[in-house]
Amino acid sequence: GNSVTQMEGPVTLSEEAFLTINCTYTATGYPSLFWYVQYPGEGLQLLLKATKADDKGSNKGFEATYRKETTSFHLEKGSVQVSDSAVYFCALSFLWDSGAGSYQLTFGKGTKLSVIP
Amino acid sequence: NAGVTQTPKFRVLKTGQSMTLLCAQDMNHEYMYWYRQDPGMGLRLIHYSVGEGTTAKGEVPDGYNVSRLKKQNFLLGLESAAPSQTSVYFCASSTPSRMGADTQYFGPGTRLTVL
Repeated sequence: GNSVTQMEGPVTLSEEAFLTINCTYTATGYPSLFWYVQYPGEGLQLLLKATKADDKGSNKGFEATYRKETTSFHLEKGSVQVSDSAVYFCALSFLWDSGAGSYQLTFGKGTKLSVIP
Repeated sequence: NAGVTQTPKFRVLKTGQSMTLLCAQDMNHEYMYWYRQDPGMGLRLIHYSVGEGTTAKGEVPDGYNVSRLKKQNFLLGLESAAPSQTSVYFCASSTPSRMGADTQYFGPGTRLTVL
Protein backbone atom coordinates (compact mmCIF):
# COMPACT_ATOMS: atom_id res chain seq x y z
CA GLY A 1 0.00 0.00 0.00
CA ASN A 2 0.87 3.66 0.18
CA SER A 3 2.20 5.05 3.42
CA VAL A 4 4.41 7.73 4.92
CA THR A 5 6.62 7.39 7.96
CA GLN A 6 8.13 10.44 9.56
CA MET A 7 10.20 10.88 12.65
CA GLU A 8 8.34 11.07 15.91
CA GLY A 9 8.42 14.29 17.78
CA PRO A 10 8.38 16.51 19.52
CA VAL A 11 11.58 18.14 18.37
CA THR A 12 12.94 21.05 20.38
CA LEU A 13 15.71 23.21 18.95
CA SER A 14 17.38 26.44 19.83
CA GLU A 15 17.06 29.36 17.46
CA GLU A 16 19.54 29.20 14.54
CA ALA A 17 20.02 25.44 14.92
CA PHE A 18 19.96 23.09 11.94
CA LEU A 19 16.74 21.16 11.37
CA THR A 20 16.19 17.77 9.81
CA ILE A 21 12.87 15.94 9.89
CA ASN A 22 13.08 12.52 8.31
CA CYS A 23 10.38 11.19 6.01
CA THR A 24 10.30 7.89 4.15
CA TYR A 25 7.53 6.53 2.01
CA THR A 26 6.13 3.36 0.52
CA ALA A 27 4.24 3.70 -2.72
CA THR A 28 3.42 2.01 -5.97
CA GLY A 29 4.59 3.98 -8.96
CA TYR A 30 6.08 7.44 -8.66
CA PRO A 31 4.09 9.63 -6.29
CA SER A 32 4.37 13.36 -5.82
CA LEU A 33 5.73 14.27 -2.39
CA PHE A 34 4.80 17.16 -0.14
CA TRP A 35 5.59 18.87 3.12
CA TYR A 36 2.68 20.66 4.75
CA VAL A 37 2.99 22.85 7.86
CA GLN A 38 0.35 23.52 10.50
CA TYR A 39 0.83 26.55 12.73
CA PRO A 40 -0.98 26.57 16.08
CA GLY A 41 -4.73 26.92 15.69
CA GLU A 42 -4.63 26.91 11.89
CA GLY A 43 -5.21 24.57 8.99
CA LEU A 44 -2.42 22.98 7.00
CA GLN A 45 -0.62 24.90 4.30
CA LEU A 46 1.75 23.69 1.64
CA LEU A 47 5.40 24.27 2.47
CA LEU A 48 7.03 22.63 -0.54
CA LYS A 49 6.63 19.77 -2.97
CA ALA A 50 8.49 17.65 -5.53
CA THR A 51 6.97 15.69 -8.35
CA LYS A 52 9.77 13.47 -9.63
CA ALA A 53 12.98 11.83 -8.55
CA ASP A 54 15.89 14.18 -7.75
CA ASP A 55 13.60 17.22 -7.70
CA LYS A 56 14.29 19.62 -4.87
CA GLY A 57 11.42 21.55 -3.35
CA SER A 58 12.23 24.72 -1.45
CA ASN A 59 10.40 27.53 0.31
CA LYS A 60 11.08 29.92 3.21
CA GLY A 61 14.55 28.44 3.70
CA PHE A 62 13.25 24.86 3.91
CA GLU A 63 14.39 22.24 1.41
CA ALA A 64 13.62 18.62 0.64
CA THR A 65 14.94 16.38 -2.14
CA TYR A 66 12.95 13.52 -3.68
CA ARG A 67 15.23 10.49 -3.31
CA LYS A 68 13.82 7.52 -5.20
CA GLU A 69 16.68 5.18 -4.31
CA THR A 70 16.11 5.62 -0.59
CA THR A 71 12.36 6.42 -0.86
CA SER A 72 12.90 9.50 1.25
CA PHE A 73 11.94 13.18 1.32
CA HIS A 74 13.70 14.63 4.36
CA LEU A 75 12.95 18.22 5.35
CA GLU A 76 15.89 20.49 6.20
CA LYS A 77 16.50 24.07 7.21
CA GLY A 78 19.86 25.58 7.97
CA SER A 79 18.83 28.01 10.69
CA VAL A 80 15.44 27.76 12.38
CA GLN A 81 13.55 30.65 13.90
CA VAL A 82 10.99 30.81 16.70
CA SER A 83 8.36 31.49 14.03
CA ASP A 84 9.04 28.01 12.55
CA SER A 85 7.44 26.38 15.58
CA ALA A 86 4.66 24.25 14.11
CA VAL A 87 3.65 20.71 13.20
CA TYR A 88 5.14 19.42 9.95
CA PHE A 89 3.46 16.74 7.85
CA CYS A 90 5.03 14.72 5.08
CA ALA A 91 2.56 13.46 2.49
CA LEU A 92 2.42 11.61 -0.80
CA SER A 93 -0.11 11.71 -3.58
CA PHE A 94 -1.31 8.43 -5.05
CA LEU A 95 -3.90 7.34 -7.58
CA TRP A 96 -7.08 6.64 -5.60
CA ASP A 97 -9.63 6.08 -8.35
CA SER A 98 -8.14 4.97 -11.63
CA GLY A 99 -11.52 5.25 -13.36
CA ALA A 100 -11.94 8.90 -12.41
CA GLY A 101 -8.22 9.61 -12.48
CA SER A 102 -8.40 11.17 -9.03
CA TYR A 103 -5.44 11.30 -6.66
CA GLN A 104 -5.44 11.47 -2.89
CA LEU A 105 -2.97 12.43 -0.22
CA THR A 106 -1.78 10.13 2.50
CA PHE A 107 -0.13 11.91 5.43
CA GLY A 108 2.45 11.00 7.98
CA LYS A 109 1.54 11.44 11.62
CA GLY A 110 3.20 14.82 11.92
CA THR A 111 6.27 16.09 13.77
CA LYS A 112 5.90 18.91 16.24
CA LEU A 113 8.78 21.39 16.21
CA SER A 114 9.37 23.85 18.99
CA VAL A 115 12.09 26.48 18.58
CA ILE A 116 13.23 28.26 21.72
CA PRO A 117 15.01 31.64 21.74
CA ASN B 1 -10.26 36.48 -1.16
CA ALA B 2 -11.12 34.41 1.94
CA GLY B 3 -9.76 31.09 0.65
CA VAL B 4 -11.37 28.14 2.44
CA THR B 5 -13.73 28.88 5.31
CA GLN B 6 -15.42 26.48 7.70
CA THR B 7 -18.49 26.86 9.89
CA PRO B 8 -18.71 26.40 12.85
CA LYS B 9 -15.30 26.63 14.52
CA PHE B 10 -16.33 24.65 17.60
CA ARG B 11 -19.24 22.41 18.45
CA VAL B 12 -20.23 20.09 21.28
CA LEU B 13 -22.82 17.39 20.57
CA LYS B 14 -24.46 14.69 22.59
CA THR B 15 -24.37 11.11 21.35
CA GLY B 16 -27.08 10.59 18.76
CA GLN B 17 -27.45 14.22 17.73
CA SER B 18 -26.95 15.32 14.17
CA MET B 19 -25.15 18.26 12.66
CA THR B 20 -23.79 19.65 9.41
CA LEU B 21 -20.39 21.22 8.88
CA LEU B 22 -20.15 23.76 6.09
CA CYS B 23 -17.13 24.40 3.93
CA ALA B 24 -16.92 27.19 1.40
CA GLN B 25 -14.15 28.14 -1.03
CA ASP B 26 -13.85 31.17 -3.28
CA MET B 27 -10.98 29.97 -5.49
CA ASN B 28 -13.15 28.23 -8.09
CA HIS B 29 -11.54 24.90 -7.27
CA GLU B 30 -12.98 21.73 -8.78
CA TYR B 31 -11.96 19.35 -6.01
CA MET B 32 -12.99 19.51 -2.37
CA TYR B 33 -12.17 17.23 0.55
CA TRP B 34 -13.12 16.52 4.13
CA TYR B 35 -10.47 15.18 6.53
CA ARG B 36 -10.39 14.37 10.19
CA GLN B 37 -7.34 14.89 12.35
CA ASP B 38 -6.84 12.81 15.46
CA PRO B 39 -3.87 12.97 17.84
CA GLY B 40 -0.91 10.96 16.57
CA MET B 41 -2.71 9.87 13.40
CA GLY B 42 -2.15 12.60 10.88
CA LEU B 43 -5.06 13.45 8.59
CA ARG B 44 -7.42 10.88 7.17
CA LEU B 45 -9.72 11.47 4.22
CA ILE B 46 -13.44 11.05 4.91
CA HIS B 47 -15.09 12.00 1.61
CA TYR B 48 -14.20 14.06 -1.40
CA SER B 49 -15.74 15.60 -4.49
CA VAL B 50 -14.28 16.07 -7.95
CA GLY B 51 -16.97 18.49 -9.07
CA GLU B 52 -20.40 19.95 -8.42
CA GLY B 53 -22.96 17.22 -7.85
CA THR B 54 -20.37 14.47 -7.30
CA THR B 55 -19.10 12.85 -4.11
CA ALA B 56 -16.96 9.83 -3.34
CA LYS B 57 -15.75 7.90 -0.31
CA GLY B 58 -12.33 8.31 1.18
CA GLU B 59 -10.45 6.24 3.71
CA VAL B 60 -12.86 6.60 6.68
CA PRO B 61 -16.37 7.38 5.35
CA ASP B 62 -18.54 5.43 7.80
CA GLY B 63 -20.91 7.57 9.86
CA TYR B 64 -20.63 10.59 7.55
CA ASN B 65 -22.49 11.88 4.51
CA VAL B 66 -21.61 14.71 2.18
CA SER B 67 -23.19 16.86 -0.47
CA ARG B 68 -21.88 19.27 -3.08
CA LEU B 69 -24.84 21.06 -4.57
CA LYS B 70 -22.81 24.14 -5.48
CA LYS B 71 -19.24 24.21 -6.70
CA GLN B 72 -18.10 26.48 -3.90
CA ASN B 73 -19.68 24.54 -1.01
CA PHE B 74 -19.06 21.10 0.45
CA LEU B 75 -21.18 19.93 3.39
CA LEU B 76 -20.29 17.19 5.84
CA GLY B 77 -23.14 15.61 7.81
CA LEU B 78 -23.19 13.48 10.89
CA GLU B 79 -26.61 11.83 11.19
CA SER B 80 -26.13 10.25 14.60
CA ALA B 81 -22.98 11.44 16.32
CA ALA B 82 -20.81 9.02 18.31
CA PRO B 83 -17.96 9.75 20.74
CA SER B 84 -15.56 8.17 18.20
CA GLN B 85 -16.32 11.12 15.93
CA THR B 86 -14.73 13.55 18.37
CA SER B 87 -12.02 15.10 16.22
CA VAL B 88 -10.86 18.18 14.37
CA TYR B 89 -12.35 18.34 10.89
CA PHE B 90 -10.59 20.06 8.03
CA CYS B 91 -11.95 20.96 4.64
CA ALA B 92 -9.63 21.46 1.69
CA SER B 93 -9.91 22.33 -1.97
CA SER B 94 -7.70 22.10 -5.03
CA THR B 95 -7.49 22.34 -8.76
CA PRO B 96 -6.48 18.97 -10.23
CA SER B 97 -3.06 18.86 -11.78
CA ARG B 98 -1.03 16.25 -13.56
CA MET B 99 -0.04 13.16 -11.60
CA GLY B 100 -1.73 14.34 -8.43
CA ALA B 101 0.69 17.19 -7.82
CA ASP B 102 -2.04 19.70 -6.98
CA THR B 103 -1.73 21.84 -3.88
CA GLN B 104 -4.56 21.46 -1.42
CA TYR B 105 -5.74 24.59 0.42
CA PHE B 106 -7.07 23.97 3.89
CA GLY B 107 -9.63 25.69 6.03
CA PRO B 108 -8.98 26.56 9.69
CA GLY B 109 -10.79 23.50 11.03
CA THR B 110 -13.81 22.64 13.17
CA ARG B 111 -13.25 21.15 16.59
CA LEU B 112 -16.08 18.73 17.36
CA THR B 113 -16.64 17.04 20.70
CA VAL B 114 -19.25 14.30 21.07
CA LEU B 115 -20.22 13.53 24.65
